[in-house]
Amino acid sequence: AQTVTQSQPEMSVQEAETVTLSCTYDTSESDYYLFWYKQPPSRQMILVIRQEAYKQQNATENRFSVNFQKAAKSFSLKISDSQLGDAAMYFCAYIPVQGAQKLVFGQGTRLTINP
Amino acid sequence: DTGVSQDPRHKITKRGQNVTFRCDPISEHNRLYWYRQTLGQGPEFLTYFQNEAQLEKSRLLSDRFSAERPKGSFSTLEIQRTEQGDSAMYLCASSLASGSARGYTFGSGTRLTVV
Repeated sequence: AQTVTQSQPEMSVQEAETVTLSCTYDTSESDYYLFWYKQPPSRQMILVIRQEAYKQQNATENRFSVNFQKAAKSFSLKISDSQLGDAAMYFCAYIPVQGAQKLVFGQGTRLTINP
Repeated sequence: DTGVSQDPRHKITKRGQNVTFRCDPISEHNRLYWYRQTLGQGPEFLTYFQNEAQLEKSRLLSDRFSAERPKGSFSTLEIQRTEQGDSAMYLCASSLASGSARGYTFGSGTRLTVV
């Protein structure tokens, strides 16, 4: 079974600093996609960034970037120049290209931004 | 397009009552998913539809739960004889059938409280 693990229940960072959220996953598939979703309090889940497993280049979206280590099955999210609006729950998620077409989520990391 | 809509946003019900939630996906999306999220946890898959066909159901979806998607448009999730353990956020998401690369678009969720 595919599983996603986020080992940091909570993280905090000073405004304008950089923070890295960790995620590991387990799968026997070779082709899949990985995602980071952001869920602000009482608001809907928003896609932050995605990574295609067959691409070695790490994805970046403005202040958000990932460190994808396929052999280690690791997929961390780096947030640079943290802003107060980045405060939210962050979920790592996985979906295989073939087979069961459903996102599998980690437990989440609550990110607090200190002004 | 206004995205994925869920109704109601909040529902408080007494134990033993039946409740029904509605989800309106993005119009061109032929896949629709239901997830359940308890406080501080990641979303857990319940079921998904492709058009009007229900293609997969999780073991989490007991006999008291039923989901429908008539005509492949909106979907309803009904919980019969609610129990306190049913208290959670129920999330709906939609995607294209080929949408694994893009992830899902989520609604804002329906928060159910069973008293």
